Amino acid sequence: GAVVSQHPSRVICKSGTSVKIECRSLDFQATTMFWYRQFPKQSLMLMATSNEGSKATYEQGVEKDKFLINHASLTLSTLTVTSAHPEDSSFYICSARGGGGTYNSPLHFGNGTRLTVT
Amino acid sequence: SQQGEEDPQALSIQEGENATMNCSYKTSINNLQWYRQNSGRGLVHLILIRSNEREKHSGRLRVTLDTSKKSSSLLITASRAADTASYFCATDASSGYALNFGKGTSLLVTP
Repeated sequence: GAVVSQHPSRVICKSGTSVKIECRSLDFQATTMFWYRQFPKQSLMLMATSNEGSKATYEQGVEKDKFLINHASLTLSTLTVTSAHPEDSSFYICSARGGGGTYNSPLHFGNGTRLTVT
Repeated sequence: SQQGEEDPQALSIQEGENATMNCSYKTSINNLQWYRQNSGRGLVHLILIRSNEREKHSGRLRVTLDTSKKSSSLLITASRAADTASYFCATDASSGYALNFGKGTSLLVTP
């Protein structure tokens, strides 16, 4: 149980274009999802918390107008990288808490999206 | 922001040996979790230890927690080549129910 599906797994886009990444909880409802970014051989950096039916909460230093998050249903959150630039190239991973979504439940992760901006 | 710091950053062992990774953190916690990441993939939850627990086992995994020293260790016994991956410890973030991750330990197990 507690499967998170992320799509696409890889995307290459040109500078200036926008890219949408989808994150779905397949067998559980997730009122909250989390978006992380990971640079090569580095840790995961929390970008934002996606809240179903309300605005996302962004971490300090993350541009909300650049990384648009929509959480329109209990099973789907999307991250749109707008006007992408080469420095946005990275590995983006979404996650959601299973088991009731409390502190003592683990995070379940999608398989990530490798974004390359040329 | 990152909270946990793992060491070593990289560890290379042979199959059958034990692998020990350590994690230190800075603030008080509800629990500490360990995750595994294969290259280019998402993270997989391994084990969660609550702040009032000192040791926990799951198969070949053994986790300890010392809240007085703000540290935890992950021991993988009788390692296998398939254990090759990066291992991260994680603690509660200040943002709701998110987690902060350490820098990770890259484990290489050679046959």
